[in-house]
Amino acid sequence: NAGVMQNPRHLVRRRGQEARLRCSPMKGHSHVYWYRQLPEEGLKFMVYLQKENIIDESGMPKERFSAEFPKEGPSILRIQQVVRGDSAAYFCASSPGRTNEKLFFGSGTQLSVL
Amino acid sequence: AQSVSQHNHHVILSEAASLELGCNYSYGGTVNLFWYVQYPGQHLQLLLKYFSGDPLVKGIKGFEAEFIKSKFSFNLRKPSVQWSDTAEYFCAVKEGGGSYIPTFGRGTSLIVHP
Repeated sequence: NAGVMQNPRHLVRRRGQEARLRCSPMKGHSHVYWYRQLPEEGLKFMVYLQKENIIDESGMPKERFSAEFPKEGPSILRIQQVVRGDSAAYFCASSPGRTNEKLFFGSGTQLSVL
Repeated sequence: AQSVSQHNHHVILSEAASLELGCNYSYGGTVNLFWYVQYPGQHLQLLLKYFSGDPLVKGIKGFEAEFIKSKFSFNLRKPSVQWSDTAEYFCAVKEGGGSYIPTFGRGTSLIVHP
């Protein structure tokens, strides 16, 4: 009865490299949310996806960041040409659908950019 | 845009002390309110939620929260904390009726000394 799985737990990249963060939602959940947590800041919404659709990406930086949730496989948050300011904890959450109920969170990926 | 304020960023208490963490939000319409907790090394999990009805909500582990509409507040309380309550606490607000994306506060770090 696995929960939301994120990998890797820790990711180290040098400036200019690409970072790919993966999120497998809970079984039966078709909606995924990505949040970013910067030091001394709260969880900032980035993007909300349904299978094969981006529903809301109002929190995504306009450049270098992209997200997908294909029909098969995990959701991927991709950061191209990383910079030091991208260092943060990235959390994924899932829900069974458009719902007012709680979100189920993964343990997060800590991205460190050297 | 919706905003959520948690004014206490770091709280240090001794065991058996009473706890109150503040949460204020900016949206004037119908809201759904949540408190999440993140224990060290773990994922965020729901403590309690308010959708409608009795404004005093009871959650897990002896926590409760009171929704005061006139003050746009949803403060979290516990009469007697334990060392195991050491964690990060996040307030979240979702606009009722159409938004499925919760906005989180910056979080409050609680340390309970034995």
